[in-house]
Amino acid sequence: GPKVLQIPSHQIIDMGQMVTLNCDPVSNHLYFYWYKQILGQQMEFLVNFYNGKVMEKSKLFKDQFSVERPDGSYFTLKIQPTALEDSAVYFCASSFLGKDTQYFGPGTRLLVL
Amino acid sequence: QQKVQQSPESLTVSEGAMASLNCTFSDGTSNNFRWYRQHSAKGLEVLVSIFSDGEKEEGRFTAHLNRANLHVSLHIREPQPSDSAVYLCAVSASNTNKVVFGTGTRLQVLP
Repeated sequence: GPKVLQIPSHQIIDMGQMVTLNCDPVSNHLYFYWYKQILGQQMEFLVNFYNGKVMEKSKLFKDQFSVERPDGSYFTLKIQPTALEDSAVYFCASSFLGKDTQYFGPGTRLLVL
Repeated sequence: QQKVQQSPESLTVSEGAMASLNCTFSDGTSNNFRWYRQHSAKGLEVLVSIFSDGEKEEGRFTAHLNRANLHVSLHIREPQPSDSAVYLCAVSASNTNKVVFGTGTRLQVLP
């Protein structure tokens, strides 16, 4: 099926530093998403992005989080500054239309020390 | 706020025996349901999508939806050891593209 790539696969960072997670979505998809999964817990929606704008976000999408997709390149999630509770696996997803199947990447494992 | 619960939490079946997984949701306006599975340390693989009451089959995977009962199930015919994974129910309400995932069922298929 369609492939979503995520870079890096793992990231270890000190608390307070900035981190950028990169997602290469399916090429013709228009909607982009980030989800967060803490070890052993449910996957939770963070944000939905379309046409250069955040369409929906959850309470987990703190002020320290931001997303962008400059000029059709990577769809990124930036956390600045990071906190210990940001340690999780972050999954990127994309879909062609908003209600279509979302295709997921393999995740980026973020550890904040 | 949408709540999505799955049962059982874990399930062990023998190769070839039908596996049945359940999912209940709380928002009666939900109209978009998918089953995904997640192998360890990998991304999610979509298995079947269903949008109206009744049954939808994709290969060995069949979803049943009963919106009046706020229930969607997944049945896996002739499961194989390679089907061992965590199965996730994913639900969207009509007024949002946000997907709410269930708590997951860990399936183990024994040879």
